Amino acid sequence: SAVISQKPSRDICQRGTSLTIQCQVDSQVTMMFWYRQQPGQSLTLIATANQGSEATYESGFVIDKFPISRPNLTFSTLTVSNMSPEDSSIYLCSVEDRATQAFFGQGTRLTVV
Amino acid sequence: GIQVEQSPPDLILQEGANSTLRCNFSDSVNNLQWFHQNPWGQLINLFYIPSGTKQNGRLSATTVATERYSLLYISSSQTTDSGVYFCAVDNYGQNFVFGPGTRLSVLP
Repeated sequence: SAVISQKPSRDICQRGTSLTIQCQVDSQVTMMFWYRQQPGQSLTLIATANQGSEATYESGFVIDKFPISRPNLTFSTLTVSNMSPEDSSIYLCSVEDRATQAFFGQGTRLTVV
Repeated sequence: GIQVEQSPPDLILQEGANSTLRCNFSDSVNNLQWFHQNPWGQLINLFYIPSGTKQNGRLSATTVATERYSLLYISSSQTTDSGVYFCAVDNYGQNFVFGPGTRLSVLP
């Protein structure tokens, strides 16, 4: 199994500002995943982050809004840029082990006011 | 892409009752997991179960891959079981697709 540390755990931000969420894994992993969970909804994949290459974004998500960094095999960041109240969600990072079992960080609960 | 359905969408139980949650998926899968999301938003792995049956304490799960469904059984429910239960599948892609979830409330 993998242990994932994600921070901040929660934040309240002003509209128009940006927030960077950090995700640290206790082992080296090839791919890291970032999800968004809007209030009362299921999880939606934002992007897949590979070390040494640009992130791959899912339909409806763009790099300018959600820039991702992946500087090494144990760390990634997701930035939510130019925030609006519609960005209020839980953001989660995830990794998979060799058996493709997924593990999640504790999530970042973001409220934009 | 693959579609995932879960039923029921909402479930209210009295403490001590048993329940069955269902997950249907539209295509063959190489991975299926059940998660419990607690009230603080954290996703807890319950089962990694692409096929077969597993048990862990009061919880058990069965996946019938050929018929494209999985069941999660909760016995002798407790208030701490409350939260949202998600089924997620991977059909040989690189990421999971999550179902809409079942919101469970266990009353004391």
